[in-house]
Parts: sequence; structure tokens; C-alpha cells
Amino acid sequence: GENVEQHPSTLSVQEGDSAVIKCTYSDSASNYFPWYKQELGKRPQLIIDIRSNVGEKKDQRIAVTLNKTAKHFSLHITETQPEDSAVYFCAATPLGGANNLFFGTGTRLTVIP
Amino acid sequence: EAQVTQNPRYLITVTGKKLTVTCSQNMNHEYMSWYRQDPGLGLRQIYYSMNVEVTDKGDVPEGYKVSRKEKRNFPLILESPSPNQTSLYFCASSSRARAGRNEQYFGPGTRLTVT
Repeated sequence: GENVEQHPSTLSVQEGDSAVIKCTYSDSASNYFPWYKQELGKRPQLIIDIRSNVGEKKDQRIAVTLNKTAKHFSLHITETQPEDSAVYFCAATPLGGANNLFFGTGTRLTVIP
Repeated sequence: EAQVTQNPRYLITVTGKKLTVTCSQNMNHEYMSWYRQDPGLGLRQIYYSMNVEVTDKGDVPEGYKVSRKEKRNFPLILESPSPNQTSLYFCASSSRARAGRNEQYFGPGTRLTVT
């Protein structure tokens, strides 16, 4: 099955700085890569996703890049704010893998005011 | 309001006492799934269901059962809970009709403690 690795496990940044979280996947057939944000005590919620036919996608302060050749994808958050503090999970769905998501182990992002 | 609900939200039980965690969605989603979340391990899939009466194992199915008799409900059953099943459990659902977008909607979570 798919194996997703995520780094770093924890990340602290000053408010206004950028944050980058990186993930690698093992199954070259994976074609859908979402990112979920989980605030303390809350459920995971989708913040951005990218499909394998696209190299980059942006939504205001967040962006995701995908390198299919290297089998890695990254989340970029610019101009970080305290409300960005949360745990972020990357995930991958193999082609033909139903809707099954294989998650990374998460990154706890702390934005220091 | 479109949502996924789980009950109970918190449960403390003893080893061996059968329990069921319910999950219900009102979005007419075909796909439903159960995950457990443990520190440092992320979200791991327990079981999933592609539609009514269709279920399959995820990565960590041992000690769990599920059923999908109705489209909206997907209960998680622990026949004989053990302390290593102490965890935070999430139910999720998504539509298979939206080609190219498989967003999963998560329930609020159930924190289970087995003593």
C-alpha cells in the first residue's frame, strides 16, 4: 500500500514568516494529494488539495506544490498568523484506491506572535 | 446543515466490555471510513465502506468490526476492547460522484479510553 512520510514533525515560526511542510509518497500511481488542518480538539478539515496533473495550486496564503518525478509534495504558508497554529496532515490517494486516504504523521505548527 | 455526527464523543470503558460507536452522515455519501488517531502516528484507517453492504479492511482492522446496512450509518464495533484501543476515533465520509475531488468530511471525533 501507499506510504506517506511527513517532515518536520514540529515547526515553530515567527508571525509573518513562511512555513513549509514536506511529504513524500511511495506509490507512483497516487493521483490526489490533500492537506488537512486540525486545530486543537477539533476534527481535520481540508484546506487545499492538488491532483497529479497540476504542479502547483494556490489559495490566498497557502500553496501546494507537487513533484511527481520525485514523488514529493509540499505545503507553503506565507505571512503566517497565530490562527495558523495547528497540526497539518498531508495525504495521498492511489489511482483506483477508492477514496482511501493514506495520511502522513502530521506536523505541529506553532506561530509565535 | 451537512454534517457527520458521532456518538458518544467521550467514552471510558473496561477491558472486554463490548461497545459501539455510531457514525451518521446526512450528505448521501457513498463512501465512509473509520480512522484512529494516535500521537506520532497520524490518522490510520481501520475500515471503510464504498456503499451499502460493501465494507473492507484498512490498515489497522484487528479488534474492530463495522457494518453498513444503511447508506447514512456506519457504526464501529469493538467486541472485546483492550487498552491498546485507547485512542481518538474519527468517522469520515465522501462522495464518489465528484470525479477528481475526494474531499473527506470528518466527524467530531470520539475519545475512547479502555482501562
